[in-house]
Parts: sequence; structure tokens; C-alpha cells
Amino acid sequence: DAGVIQSPRHEVTEMGQEVTLRCKPISGHNSLFWYRQTMMRGLELLIYFNNNVPIDDSGMPEDRFSAKMPNASFSTLKIQPSEPRDSAVYFCASRPTGEDTEAFFGQGTRLTVV
Amino acid sequence: QQQVKQSPQSLIVQKGGISIINCAYENTAFDYFPWYQQFPGKGPALLIAIRPDVSEKKEGRFTISFNKSAKQFSLHIMDSQPGDSATYFCAASLLTGANNLFFGTGTRLTVIP
Repeated sequence: DAGVIQSPRHEVTEMGQEVTLRCKPISGHNSLFWYRQTMMRGLELLIYFNNNVPIDDSGMPEDRFSAKMPNASFSTLKIQPSEPRDSAVYFCASRPTGEDTEAFFGQGTRLTVV
Repeated sequence: QQQVKQSPQSLIVQKGGISIINCAYENTAFDYFPWYQQFPGKGPALLIAIRPDVSEKKEGRFTISFNKSAKQFSLHIMDSQPGDSATYFCAASLLTGANNLFFGTGTRLTVIP
């Protein structure tokens, strides 16, 4: 398996533009997580899906953020409109349920909003 | 509310020394405590994990010590090497049900040759 695949790796956009980040989890993993990493706040959980259903989105900072998981092999995180304070590295991770509990992270998307 | 608190924020250790990173958690229902290692430009990767039914787990130079009554756990890196220089995150979660990971804020470790 190629692991968790995120795209793009880097994104630079102007304030006010829509940004869509993409994630392909590891096949067979039931849980998918979106995290945001900044120097100030570390790794923050934004939203968590289980079997494609959003379970906890309490970490989504505001209505400008939305996430979808239309099927077991694809998820998106959208920011509309983007703001400079959204600049961060966004990670997607997937994790199987059961005894094998390791969460696997993608390489991340470095977002810069200018 | 920060579910997992981690210290120190940064750590500098001489090659061959012992690196110690500490974490404390709030939720007594947590039953899985992993440590993740992150190198620049990469996503975090699992280093070692422990469940609360044991007080210590060792894998090579890496040891987790777990104190259930104090709700604390720590990572010890013996014979620290320059290649260990990375950011380390502790985390906690449930094994069943809502199994999202709650991460500490991270410790940037620098091992000086």
C-alpha cells in the first residue's frame, strides 16, 4: 500500500480564494482524521470520520471550513474563503478499528494564504 | 481544554545522553498511549505505544513509562543519537468507539554530536 496520500503537497493562494485539500486513506481503514499543525498550537484535530460518517467536527475552527468523505477512499477539506491565519500544514491520517490501532499520516499539505 | 499536556517544548541533549519527555492526560477512559516521531517535511509516524495494563514498554533505545494513578506517561530515549533529532508527540485515545487521537503539543528534540 502506498500509505495515506495527500494532495497537493504545497498550496499558495490569495486571501478570499477557495482551497480544497484532498486525501486518500489506506484501503481498509475505517477512520479518517484531518489535523492542522502550527507552531503555536501543535497538532489540532479538525474532524474525524468513521465509516465515511463525520463523528466529531468540533475542532473545525469556523464555518469557512468544511469536510466531506463521499466514499471510503476519498476525503476533502475545503476552506472558503481562505484567510492568512489558515496558513498551516494540514495532515490527513487513517486508522483501522480493532487491535491494530496505529494511525498512519500522510505527508501533509503546506498551505500558505497570502 | 487540552486533553494531553506535554513538556518540555524543546530539549537539547548531548549524543549518548538520555532524552526524557513527559505527558499527562485528563480522561481516565483513555486506554491507548502512543508516541509519534516527526521529521521535518514529513507526517508523524508511530514510534512506540503502550496500554494501561503495563507500567513500562521498551523497544530498543525507546522506553515508555506509564503511571496510571498519576495519569502520566513519559518517553525515554537512551543513548540519544543525532538521528533522533525530531519532534516527538505523545497522544492518547480510546481503542474502541471514538478512537480519535488527542495529541500533546510536541517536543522538539535536538541531539548534539
